[in-house]
Amino acid sequence: DQQVKQNSPSLSVQEGRISILNCDYTNSMFDYFLWYKKYPAEGPTFLISISSIKDKNEDGRFTVFLNKSAKHLSLHIVPSQPGDSAVYFCAASARGKLIFGQGTELSVKP
Amino acid sequence: DAGVIQSPRHEVTEMGQEVTLRCKPISGHNSLFWYRQTMMRGLELLIYFNNNVPIDDSGMPEDRFSAKMPNASFSTLKIQPSEPRDSAVYFCASRAGWAGELFFGEGSRLTVL
Repeated sequence: DQQVKQNSPSLSVQEGRISILNCDYTNSMFDYFLWYKKYPAEGPTFLISISSIKDKNEDGRFTVFLNKSAKHLSLHIVPSQPGDSAVYFCAASARGKLIFGQGTELSVKP
Repeated sequence: DAGVIQSPRHEVTEMGQEVTLRCKPISGHNSLFWYRQTMMRGLELLIYFNNNVPIDDSGMPEDRFSAKMPNASFSTLKIQPSEPRDSAVYFCASRAGWAGELFFGEGSRLTVL
């Protein structure tokens, strides 16, 4: 049973526009959420995180929103750049255990 | 500083053979995780350790898989016997403490023929 779901396998956006990546979770015990970015043939790298006591966290072009009642989080990238093209994984943590979603492949076209 | 180091980067083996994947976590990190990346399930947690002790191995697919962490600087994931459906990229990750971000290695790509 997939506790963290990313229902869009891929997303294509134009350079300069906003990219919105979505993630849903089922376990209300999750208390910390993270986004990772992965390039081909490399390991995932940490991008941004949010605690369950917050509903928004911003870091430069990246903003993560958390809607606990809907068990939904999203990552906004604005403006999108070609170098942002990668696979993005959301992850949720409870008691130290970190569960990842299936990933969304973002393609930013010039 | 060196990151998480995994070996081998690539392994091609035949069905039935034993496979051992190795991981050296970042020095000072006391939590270590093994994940498997597949198209269908994304990054699937197999097992994680805290202070060298296995905390949760509920993601280990079956008895053919085993993982050990004999000391703070080394862990292995073993598959015996291997099967074609085990073909995937296996990632090791570590972190300091009980919470926060994980630091991943570059992965070991396993192909079982």
